[in-house]
Amino acid sequence: EPEVTQTPSHQVTQMGQEVILRCVPISNHLYFYWYRQILGQKVEFLVSFYNNEISEKSEIFDDQFSVERPDGSNFTLKIRSTKLEDSAMYFCASSDVTAYNEQFFGPGTRLTVL
Amino acid sequence: GIQVEQSPPDLILQEGANSTLRCNFSDSVNNLQWFHQNPWGQLINLFYIPSGTKQNGRLSATTVATERYSLLYISSSQTTDSGVYFCAVEGPGNTGKLIFGQGTTLQVKP
Repeated sequence: EPEVTQTPSHQVTQMGQEVILRCVPISNHLYFYWYRQILGQKVEFLVSFYNNEISEKSEIFDDQFSVERPDGSNFTLKIRSTKLEDSAMYFCASSDVTAYNEQFFGPGTRLTVL
Repeated sequence: GIQVEQSPPDLILQEGANSTLRCNFSDSVNNLQWFHQNPWGQLINLFYIPSGTKQNGRLSATTVATERYSLLYISSSQTTDSGVYFCAVEGPGNTGKLIFGQGTTLQVKP
């Protein structure tokens, strides 16, 4: 069964460093998303991406964040100048042709900023 | 924006018991999904159910869109059902943005 994959599963970084989180969405999906979950809290939407551009972004997704689809399979989230409060689980998701279709989530990358 | 409220926040069951989890939402929705977050943090899709009723084994779900709520039923619960159950909805706008509830933490005791 096709699934969304994410690498790395866990990343530890120093405050102020840049990190890139990687995702491989399900191959025939065209909509891609990033969400994050701070420990013990609910999952929060960050950004949606379609046709090589951002469809919607939350107020959390400020200039510190960027997304890219560098090739036909990967979808990345870059966090510049990381802060302690960026520590969270980051989930990538993808969905089929229409935006209302079911979203499938990857296993997450746990980011720890020291 | 759309509000999503789940109840109860916490639930403790004995193995074999049944339970009902509720999700209320404040506006019309285009998408509603139920997830189970396992102890490793993974979000497992349970149901895609913007309306109607679906069943998958011991789990079933019903969404009454006109009354803005959804219910997740777990029958004959097992210890592996433990974890956090999230309801997530997509409101109008066609951007795919899912708004999650705070979740229901379920503990099933042997």
